[in-house]
Amino acid sequence: DAKTTQPPSMDCAEGRAANLPCNHSTISGNEYVYWYRQIHSQGPQYIIHGLKNNETNEMASLIITEDRKSSTLILPHATLRDTAVYYCIVDSGYALNFGKGTSLLVTP
Amino acid sequence: DTGVSQDPRHKITKRGQNVTFRCDPISEHNRLYWYRQTLGQGPEFLTYFQNEAQLEKSRLLSDRFSAERPKGSFSTLEIQRTEQGDSAMYLCASSLGHWGYEQYFGPGTRLTVT
Repeated sequence: DAKTTQPPSMDCAEGRAANLPCNHSTISGNEYVYWYRQIHSQGPQYIIHGLKNNETNEMASLIITEDRKSSTLILPHATLRDTAVYYCIVDSGYALNFGKGTSLLVTP
Repeated sequence: DTGVSQDPRHKITKRGQNVTFRCDPISEHNRLYWYRQTLGQGPEFLTYFQNEAQLEKSRLLSDRFSAERPKGSFSTLEIQRTEQGDSAMYLCASSLGHWGYEQYFGPGTRLTVT
């Protein structure tokens, strides 16, 4: 029972910004939005998380709408190494529910 | 490298054999999690520990599975009488705390049951 909806796949040209959307219309007030990615055959990699405010770190930016029902992960300058499955997860406890994620392909 | 290590990285075993996997979390992390990932699916939660206490188990964790975290440090996941359906990637993660803390994952142990 995934709490999020993501497009199954997206393409992005190398050097351009990759904007990955996520819908989480049933999010509760105390639930964080997390983003992870998984490159083939590796363990998931934490990217960023937020509760209400927009967040930025060295990897990405997270934009959360004011009603918190959706968010966008932004990779500002995508590289070929950003090709991966990206998971948007709504979490208030211990078990991350990964769902199917978005398969992002960055092309030269 | 996240600082979470798992051993072995790959394990091939015959159906009916027992296997044990080890996870070493980031040293100051008191929470440790086990997940399982089958081909084409996202990771699924199995169980988690706070220090040495196992606080939650998923319905995916049948009675053939047991996990321990003695002294709140490393953890082991044992599968008894393996079945072909147990073939999967077993992932370990650790975190500093509960609400609002990110989990850091190890590289996983790939289990193949023949």
